[in-house]
Amino acid sequence: GEDVEQSLFLSVREGDSSVINCTYTDSSSTYLYWYKQEPGAGLQLLTYIFSNMDMKQDQRLTVLLNKKDKHLSLRIADTQTGDSAIYFCAVGGITGKLIFGQGTTLQVKP
Amino acid sequence: SAVISQKPSRDICQRGTSLTIQCQVDSQVTMMFWYRQQPGQSLTLIATANQGSEATYESGFVIDKFPISRPNLTFSTLTVSNMSPEDSSIYLCSVPGQIQETQYFGPGTRLLVL
Repeated sequence: GEDVEQSLFLSVREGDSSVINCTYTDSSSTYLYWYKQEPGAGLQLLTYIFSNMDMKQDQRLTVLLNKKDKHLSLRIADTQTGDSAIYFCAVGGITGKLIFGQGTTLQVKP
Repeated sequence: SAVISQKPSRDICQRGTSLTIQCQVDSQVTMMFWYRQQPGQSLTLIATANQGSEATYESGFVIDKFPISRPNLTFSTLTVSNMSPEDSSIYLCSVPGQIQETQYFGPGTRLLVL
């Protein structure tokens, strides 16, 4: 079945860039998402990218997609302590169903 | 973005009982999705709820355990039946946004079964 893999933990210093990586197996995935979950909160849609795009930038967030390698990354520029959270990669198609990765815990040290 | 509310936000229940979780959306949507997030885990799709038809369940989830209602295009309920401690999870509903490719989640219902 479809699988989405993420590294579990990333620690960075405030002001540095963070890069969270994700790999997936389903080549028919049409939409790829990044969600943020803060402690005790729900999922916040951060950004998404179509499978026919290579890159998408939205303020401090940059998403890169390597479709050949089925690799997705989220770069957060100038990481702040408020960015500390769990980041989930998810992939989906026209059915609307999403397959989630395990989540990457981002720790931002002051 | 869609505005989604869920009730209750959290609950503590005794084993063997059932809990019904409500999901309300501020716009009409064809599809609604129910996910489960077990402690420290990722999200797993339970079922897809379509208005006017029976829900479609994913592998490992059955209607007797997780009955779903979808009476209209803005509302759905998920019941967790005959609960056991293994059902302790966050249950989230999700809907597509006005832009088809977006997907938004409710705040979740945190369930603890003792």
